[in-house]
Amino acid sequence: DIQMTQSPSSVSASVGDRVTITCRASQGISRWLAWYQQKPGKAPKLLIYGASSLQSGVPSRFSGSGSGTDFTLTISSLQPEDFATYYCQQANSFPRTFGQGTKVEIK
Amino acid sequence: QVQLQQSGPGLVKPSQTLSLTCVISGDSVSSNSAAWNWIRQSPSRGLEWLGRTLYRSKWYNDYAVSVRRRITINPDTSKNLFSLQLNSVTPEDTAVYYCARDDYGDKFDYWGQGTLVTVSS
Repeated sequence: DIQMTQSPSSVSASVGDRVTITCRASQGISRWLAWYQQKPGKAPKLLIYGASSLQSGVPSRFSGSGSGTDFTLTISSLQPEDFATYYCQQANSFPRTFGQGTKVEIK
Repeated sequence: QVQLQQSGPGLVKPSQTLSLTCVISGDSVSSNSAAWNWIRQSPSRGLEWLGRTLYRSKWYNDYAVSVRRRITINPDTSKNLFSLQLNSVTPEDTAVYYCARDDYGDKFDYWGQGTLVTVSS
């Protein structure tokens, strides 16, 4: 199975801050990577797919980059509604696997 | 707009079978581009993909090795839904279970609302 490792596990930030979350795959996955946002009691919401394609309806302050084994999710200017947990997921092979999550908290 | 509506019991006894259904609206379980998945989430295991069913001229299933001997995912074309059965459950199967659409194989773009299933006597 491909292991997905996110860092940091949590980050404290203020509204307006730039936040960067990284995801590393245990083997190369080309650009087969998606990012999700999850709020308490809710299902994950797709933000980014194909490493950098923004899902329809997702604000442009979210962006993704990377290929191979190293990927990044960036929130350019953190908004109050962005405080949540973020997950990466590889779509290169089965079983599909997720990172352990990065919690973005209010500073 | 695709919507997935889950239903099923929230409490299952050990050794029994966990059964959930996911009704699809706005798409077809027989779609030639989508796959229909079950994913669970628990504090100990995080988000864990369990399996999927898809139609590409015939029906296919893929399952996670961790549950392969216990899991069945079935489509129901008459009701446009798909179901999850997980046999011989233990407390380690306690989790929130989600159904999700996998569009073109690269993203889970629509999710059900989630069902907390507790395995306890």
